Amino acid sequence: DTGVSQDPRHKITKRGQNVTFRCDPISEHNRLYWYRQTLGQGPEFLTYFQNEAQLEKSRLLSDRFSAERPKGSFSTLEIQRTEQGDSAMYLCASSLGVTSTDTQYFGPGTRLTVL
Amino acid sequence: AQSVTQLGSHVSVSEGALVLLRCNYSSSVPPYLFWYVQYPNQGLQLLLKYTSAATLVKGINGFEAEFKKSETSFHLTKPSAHMSDAAEYFCAVSVLYNFNKFYFGSGTKLNVKP
Repeated sequence: DTGVSQDPRHKITKRGQNVTFRCDPISEHNRLYWYRQTLGQGPEFLTYFQNEAQLEKSRLLSDRFSAERPKGSFSTLEIQRTEQGDSAMYLCASSLGVTSTDTQYFGPGTRLTVL
Repeated sequence: AQSVTQLGSHVSVSEGALVLLRCNYSSSVPPYLFWYVQYPNQGLQLLLKYTSAATLVKGINGFEAEFKKSETSFHLTKPSAHMSDAAEYFCAVSVLYNFNKFYFGSGTKLNVKP
């Protein structure tokens, strides 16, 4: 068990550029979640995958955001035409099982700064 | 809808003193409750969780929390603070049939003074 990994850990970009983040969940975890954490706030849910199916998206996820999880393994989160308001920590988590009591294991996050 | 309120964005205690971090939840259905800790530049780590079994839950590093339905609370305590407990703590709620979607509080930063 190597834990959830995220890449890159930090990303600085200019407004209007596209960025892509990657998350590798714990092996065999069938659920994968993306959260966004802004300064002074707790993580906010963005989207969730069960295997390769994206089953829910938050209203926070504008049409500039897209997430994929091909083959039910790693996942990518892309932000197109970045805005300064997108600056935040993007967290990925994974869990094994299908109940509401399952522990979510979090990665270290990708910190995005949009200039 | 579910939500979590953490009272006190910053809490400061002396080493060896009692730690009390407050969490109140709102949920129209029975909740499941979690406490996570976040150290600088690290991901969130689970401290403990309440899943409708025992109302007093013991976690790692000497932390425990008690689920009180009448008070809609799930406060986190530790009898004696260590310097290594300095971190940010998040309370989260999920509910049955909501695919384990977490709603987090805004967090409490714990400072431990020598």
